Amino acid sequence: QQQVKQSPQSLIVQKGGISIINCAYENTAFDYFPWYQQFPGKGPALLIAIRPDVSEKKEGRFTISFNKSAKQFSLHIMDSQPGDSATYFCAPLTGAGSYQLTFGKGTKLSVIP
Amino acid sequence: KAGVTQTPRYLIKTRGQQVTLSCSPISGHRSVSWYQQTPGQGLQFLFEYFSETQRNKGNFPGRFSGRQFSNSRSEMNVSTLELGDSALYLCASSRGLAFFSGANVLTFGAGSRLTVL
Repeated sequence: QQQVKQSPQSLIVQKGGISIINCAYENTAFDYFPWYQQFPGKGPALLIAIRPDVSEKKEGRFTISFNKSAKQFSLHIMDSQPGDSATYFCAPLTGAGSYQLTFGKGTKLSVIP
Repeated sequence: KAGVTQTPRYLIKTRGQQVTLSCSPISGHRSVSWYQQTPGQGLQFLFEYFSETQRNKGNFPGRFSGRQFSNSRSEMNVSTLELGDSALYLCASSRGLAFFSGANVLTFGAGSRLTVL
């Protein structure tokens, strides 16, 4: 059972454009929804996360939109920059004390000048 | 503040051998999780330790094992290596508190890249 479906697999965006990555999940027990960013040769790093009691969270150029009824959440990168070129993973998890992240397959973002 | 340190960074083994990977968490972090990353399967959870006790375990065969020491450092061991075990093994540490605390973040190391020939 694929609990987390992430799309697209790859994305090419012009500098200054908007990058949108989507994540659909099946497990209704998920209650924390982070996005991770991974550069080559590095481990994933937490980028931004949202709790299910809010529909949107913005941190700088990065925004998470959350749709609980549709069981989907998305990452929007505004004014995309070449330095944003990385692989992005959604990794929802369940409740208190659980550290078992269920990663999506990842989206390789390339921002071209 | 030092990050999560994984050693060795790269290693090559042959089929049938065993390997031990080490992870030193961020100071004060009591939870250590291990993940396997491959191009085909992506990132998959192996296990998580908190205060020397395994709290969660992923769907991997018994050849994969781990432990945590009293100083929170952790090791994982893979016995009887198979070609399919070639992967990047990532360790992540956190305080071990509920995520809703907001102050709790899962911090990953750079990984140990294992190649099995």
